[in-house]
Amino acid sequence: KAGVTQTPRYLIKTRGQQVTLSCSPISGHRSVSWYQQTPGQGLQFLFEYFSETQRNKGNFPGRFSGRQFSNSRSEMNVSTLELGDSALYLCASSLGLGTSYGYTFGSGTRLTVV
Amino acid sequence: EDKVVQSPLSLVVHEGDTVTLNCSYEVTNFRSLLWYKQEKKAPTFLFMLTSSGIEKKSGRLSSILDKKELFSILNITATQTGDSAIYLCAISEGGNEKLTFGTGTRLTIIP
Repeated sequence: KAGVTQTPRYLIKTRGQQVTLSCSPISGHRSVSWYQQTPGQGLQFLFEYFSETQRNKGNFPGRFSGRQFSNSRSEMNVSTLELGDSALYLCASSLGLGTSYGYTFGSGTRLTVV
Repeated sequence: EDKVVQSPLSLVVHEGDTVTLNCSYEVTNFRSLLWYKQEKKAPTFLFMLTSSGIEKKSGRLSSILDKKELFSILNITATQTGDSAIYLCAISEGGNEKLTFGTGTRLTIIP
């Protein structure tokens, strides 16, 4: 079966701009979670969506937002980009049963803010 | 605040050596501990541990959890160059899909 697909793979943006990243989960998976990975902080949880509703949110500023569509695809938006937003953004999909078992990660979007 | 600490931060060994990676944690509502391997971008699942003292094995990899002392170890025997990767430990809390990750151990295997 197809894995988790993230687009685009790479992005270069300028400070102050906004960006939208996309994640298509495995077919049948209803939960999509987003993580930010940086060398200093490791993987940090951004938010999780299930059936178009945000179920959980990490400690990130309001510039980071997301949404989920009825087909379970999810988008993440970052507004007013800062240099510190440069990171690998990973999404993970699962059935959403609250067990974290069966989490499958995508290959990520590498965002560089200049 | 929930916390996951991995050690060492990096490790360089020769092919054939055995390595032990450590993960300690502090969480309020522990459900399970998971290990992932990250070679390039997408972390891949290795183990999920929920009960103390029960070893999980997959080939040359094994892992065990101690819920009393709040730590887990991941052992890799007879290491190969393909084991070079970042190994991530994560904690799952009750009732939600969120994972709290450690910063990882970067393992390098020298031929």
